[in-house]
Amino acid sequence: DAKTTQPNSMESNEEEPVHLPCNHSTISGTDYIHWYRQLPSQGPEYVIHGLTSNVNNRMASLAIAEDRKSSTLILHRATLRDAAVYYCILRDGLRAGNMLTFGGGTRLMVKP
Amino acid sequence: DVKVTQSSRYLVKRTGEKVFLECVQDMDHENMFWYRQDPGLGLRLIYFSYDVKMKEKGDIPEGYSVSREKKERFSLILESASTNQTSMYLCASSFRGRSGNTIYFGEGSWLTVV
Repeated sequence: DAKTTQPNSMESNEEEPVHLPCNHSTISGTDYIHWYRQLPSQGPEYVIHGLTSNVNNRMASLAIAEDRKSSTLILHRATLRDAAVYYCILRDGLRAGNMLTFGGGTRLMVKP
Repeated sequence: DVKVTQSSRYLVKRTGEKVFLECVQDMDHENMFWYRQDPGLGLRLIYFSYDVKMKEKGDIPEGYSVSREKKERFSLILESASTNQTSMYLCASSFRGRSGNTIYFGEGSWLTVV
């Protein structure tokens, strides 16, 4: 499975935008890029996903590089509730199980 | 509202006991998964199931077995619990098919083996 690389941690100020980077240089054509986050003492929750085009939803935006070797999760205005570990994951579109392989993620700290 | 429910939030078991962790989903998902999460090691896949009575080993299946007799229920079994199985266990489910499908997680079960 293709791997992802993320910074271990990042800090942000409340109400400022946050850009969380992810490198996936060995991504294949059938891999979807997924982002999940895990709040303290909870299971991971879905944030956003994409294949080639940039994506927006109510939680965040996903910017995918033209060569697909990297992507950036954008939180437009960080709140204290956004403090979590953010995981960037590749899911193979051809595998029946569609399981997620988690890396270490980025711990986002939000300062008031 | 989608829901993955894990039967126990916190358990304490003795070494050698047989432990059952139950998971139920109400979304008619074909796929179900069991992960464990440990500090510094992230989430690791133990087993997954893509249909009733079907199962596949994940990355760390040793010491575990699973059961999927009904579509909505996926059980993780520790035949003889050991202290190195103290961990948080996460159940998840998703529709089968294109990997754009969202995976939904339960809240986790904290197991301590003493």
